[in-house]
Amino acid sequence: GQQVMQIPQYQHVQEGEDFTTYCNSSTTLSNIQWYKQRPGGHPVFLIQLVKSGEVKKQKRLTFQFGEAKKNSSLHITATQTTDVGTYFCNAGNNRKLIWGLGTSLAVNP
Amino acid sequence: DAGITQSPRYKITETGRQVTLMCHQTWSHSYMFWYRQDLGHGLRLIYYSAAADITDKGEVPDGYVVSRSKTENFPLTLESATRSQTSVYFCASSESGTGWSSYGYTFGSGTRLTVV
Repeated sequence: GQQVMQIPQYQHVQEGEDFTTYCNSSTTLSNIQWYKQRPGGHPVFLIQLVKSGEVKKQKRLTFQFGEAKKNSSLHITATQTTDVGTYFCNAGNNRKLIWGLGTSLAVNP
Repeated sequence: DAGITQSPRYKITETGRQVTLMCHQTWSHSYMFWYRQDLGHGLRLIYYSAAADITDKGEVPDGYVVSRSKTENFPLTLESATRSQTSVYFCASSESGTGWSSYGYTFGSGTRLTVV
């Protein structure tokens, strides 16, 4: 069946460094969503990607959908302490959605 | 989000007791979902509902019961609580069941349930 791997599982960075998390699927995806969950909080929707090769930006966050629509990445430029949390991808194949296990980001001030 | 409310926020119950977690949304979303979140397992779907009176099982439905008599409410009942059901439970709603929504899923603040 379809699997979604999210890497890395954990990442520690110094404030100001960049951060990237990847979401990889064994099959072609129809769409992918990204969420952020602060410690003790609930997942919050960030963005949805649907087109091959799509790139979207939200301030310091850059989201990409691979050309083959099997992988996606979330890149944060110059991390801040407010970026702390777990980032989840949610991958769709037209029939169902599969959640990645998330990447937990810690930022040292 | 103010549009989806879960209650209670925290609950401690004893093994074998029945407990109901409440979820209320004001978005008029057709789809509602119950997830449990445990370390190492991410978010796992328990049940979902496409509309009032339409519900279906997710990945981990055993031991849980849902109902949806009104569009805005989607309660989750643990019929006889077990320690393995200690978890954080999230309710979510969406315009679309397959995720084809530009707004994604809207989650409630969660219920932290401990079964002792």
